[in-house]
Amino acid sequence: DAKTTQPPSMDCAEGRAANLPCNHSTISGNEYVYWYRQIHSQGPQYIIHGLKNNETNEMASLIITEDRKSSTLILPHATLRDTAVYYCIVGDPNRDDKIIFGKGTRLHILP
Amino acid sequence: DTGVSQDPRHKITKRGQNVTFRCDPISEHNRLYWYRQTLGQGPEFLTYFQNEAQLEKSRLLSDRFSAERPKGSFSTLEIQRTEQGDSAMYLCASPGELDGYTFGSGTRLTVV
Repeated sequence: DAKTTQPPSMDCAEGRAANLPCNHSTISGNEYVYWYRQIHSQGPQYIIHGLKNNETNEMASLIITEDRKSSTLILPHATLRDTAVYYCIVGDPNRDDKIIFGKGTRLHILP
Repeated sequence: DTGVSQDPRHKITKRGQNVTFRCDPISEHNRLYWYRQTLGQGPEFLTYFQNEAQLEKSRLLSDRFSAERPKGSFSTLEIQRTEQGDSAMYLCASPGELDGYTFGSGTRLTVV
């Protein structure tokens, strides 16, 4: 079973920041938080990952709480092309762990 | 192009026929994963290779399913005697060092 909990769907207005929450209360010390997204009819696409520090790249920012039990993916200026299912996953990159996906959050960007 | 190639992109087959899908992963990665995704669900793990060795198989992988990775390069996933319940997107993934997994665009199978 997936070790994360996400809301099934969210709406966000185009141009605004989209904040996608994820709970991972049973995360272990060696596990990172990964975010992927899946646009319709494509394979999942890696977005960002982090261990305990906040991370930012050209696609998004990842905010991880101090206790590491939850995180938020931030898309700073959402566009219509960001409409997708977003998956939050925890895993240890030093092990041959398979990714266990949950159902993710379906993000709708509204024009 | 994600760097992981899957062929074909779409396959329609009649129930009872055999089908085979191919995955060409990112060349320098020795691990390769197969997933299956049905409508409205996240991808489900099927099996995993380290080089040519198949190290783990999900209980979803019935005896009608077989996967191979000869020479530790490309991989094939075969489904024998297809059933309508096999209709799904079949995804292949190749992990990076620290930047997560790279997925192919998948093969969408429709069994009629």
